[in-house]
Amino acid sequence: QKEVEQNSGPLSVPEGAIASLNCTYSDRGSQSFFWYRQYSGKSPELIMSIYSNGDKEDGRFTAQLNKASQYVSLLIRDSQPSDSATYLCAVSGSNYQLIWGAGTKLIIKP
Amino acid sequence: EPEVTQTPSHQVTQMGQEVILRCVPISNHLYFYWYRQILGQKVEFLVSFYNNEISEKSEIFDDQFSVERPDGSNFTLKIRSTKLEDSAMYFCASSEAEGSEQYFGPGTRLTVT
Repeated sequence: QKEVEQNSGPLSVPEGAIASLNCTYSDRGSQSFFWYRQYSGKSPELIMSIYSNGDKEDGRFTAQLNKASQYVSLLIRDSQPSDSATYLCAVSGSNYQLIWGAGTKLIIKP
Repeated sequence: EPEVTQTPSHQVTQMGQEVILRCVPISNHLYFYWYRQILGQKVEFLVSFYNNEISEKSEIFDDQFSVERPDGSNFTLKIRSTKLEDSAMYFCASSEAEGSEQYFGPGTRLTVT
């Protein structure tokens, strides 16, 4: 059974600080890794994609991938109250089917 | 900015009835997907579709489900005889290529009574 694991949280971070979200996956054949943000009652919104080991930066967001450790993370710098949401990790393998984590609820405290 | 659209936003139906959920993927995308999310639970993959045929489907996508691209823009999910446990948010997504970023529509909330 291919699985994606995330700490459900909530993760509480002060405004302006760095939020660090983590995800592990079980399928070593996974090739594509995505972070989505989901506000309550809304659809997942793509934040970042990462396909190779290392870091990928986009504005305040940095995704980090370590395939040897089967670990992917998302850093949010200068956290804002509007970043408060559930962050979903999604991983696709050789059949490109996305397997989803349950999400980490992030709360940014003003 | 191009986006995936879905209709209706909310559908209420009685158990045993057929429902059709509609989606318009992003126009230059070639791969289409349906997902569902039961309240408070994970997003679950249902089916992927490319070149007018199903490319992958999950165990959830049984004979009660079908998908169709009836014309050049719409992509539909049909549930033939709805059950109470089909109540969920149904999301359509599309991507340019296999394995590339998938963009989601706003979802259809299906309530089966």
